[in-house]
This record gives sequence, structure tokens and C-alpha cells, in this order.
Amino acid sequence: QSALTQPPSVSGSPGQSVTISCTGTSSDVGGYNRVSWYQQPPGTVPKLIIYEVSNRPSGVPDRFSGSKSGSTASLTISGLQAEDEANYYCSSYRSGGAYVVFGGGTKLTVL
Amino acid sequence: QVQLQESGPGLVKPSQTLSLTCAVSGGSISRGDYYWSWIRQHPGKGLEWIGYILYTGSTYYSPSLKSRVTISVDTSKNQFSLKLGSVTAADTAVYYCSRAEGSSDAFDIWGQGTMVTVSS
Repeated sequence: QSALTQPPSVSGSPGQSVTISCTGTSSDVGGYNRVSWYQQPPGTVPKLIIYEVSNRPSGVPDRFSGSKSGSTASLTISGLQAEDEANYYCSSYRSGGAYVVFGGGTKLTVL
Repeated sequence: QVQLQESGPGLVKPSQTLSLTCAVSGGSISRGDYYWSWIRQHPGKGLEWIGYILYTGSTYYSPSLKSRVTISVDTSKNQFSLKLGSVTAADTAVYYCSRAEGSSDAFDIWGQGTMVTVSS
């Protein structure tokens, strides 16, 4: 099955904001609010940072925010910090078989 | 605090079956609001969902792997398992077990991951 579409890379300077998009279809991102985002610094385990489009788990800074418009979800990181440098993945429930699909991942570079 | 730990062989021969187990500690696998999941990550690549299971035994698999995958649960041992048959080099990856919250499909807890290499 095809993955959700994410830009391969984004970059920003400390203190700036960046937005990562995640594009799907009406069968996944567009049809359900079951979109999550994960942060994975190199060599580490993925960490949940956003669930149900825009909710943050306890302990995740409010610099991380999520939104959705149509079939595109977005993760915005404001006040960029060096420690935010990582790969970011979106995921969504997909109907027509009841399963989960991930995006291809976006590498965030903090300049 | 729930923790997950994968175990199993790090090397599997081509055409054989990859078998991994995930031990759940700090909580019961029989909670009805969680799906117990397997996810893999090929070297230097992104995440790929393999499938998940409810404590009742209901399973959901990735369409691309469905013909080769079996996920099972052992509530008495508080663990769940993955079997992937007819493996090839393309199945070489880090395999993670994870817990998905049932209503959101958010993977909130992950194991450390185990590297499995398919090679003769």
C-alpha cells in the first residue's frame, strides 16, 4: 500500500517555525481524525508527539502542534531548538481493510 | 509504567520464518482499549506497520504482508508474538513492538527494537 506523502526534508534556524505536511486521501487522513506524529532522532526509538490530529501527550512541549485540512495533516514546530533535529513521521488509520499507514518521513535539520 | 521488550533471533535464513516475541510488563495485555502492534524499519528507511492484535485475538494486518504474517497473543504470559514466513533479504529490518491506543491508533509505547538480518 502507498505511504502517506511527506516532504523528504525541511530545515529552519533556531527560534524559527517549520511545518511538515502529510498528504493522504479520503480513506485515511481526510476521512478520520486518527492522525499521529512521531519524532525519531537518529539511533533512537520513535516517540509519539501528536495524536488525534492535534493532541499532545503529557510531557510534549507546546511548541509542537498539529492540524488538518482536507486530506493533508500538518505538524508545526515553533521556536526551533537544536534538539528538535530528527526524522518525523505521520501515521493514519486507513479504511478498506482497517489498517495503519505511515508517511515516508521528513528529516528536520536545524541550521 | 508499561514497558515492552522484544526478543528473538537476530539472524534468520532466507525462506525460513522470522519469529519474535514482545513481553509486556507494568500492565496487563488484556486491557480492551489497546492494540498490540508490530512495526518495522528497514535500515535508513521509514516506518512500516506490520499489524496488530487485540487481547481477544482479533488481528489486523498490512495488506502487503498479510499473506506471510501471523500475530498471536498469550494473555497468560502477558506477551504477543510475530511470525513472518518465507523471509528474504528485503525483510532485514529493526522490528519494534508497540502499543496502539484503540480509538486513535496512536503508538504511545514502543519497545527498544530488535535488528533482524535475513542472510544465509
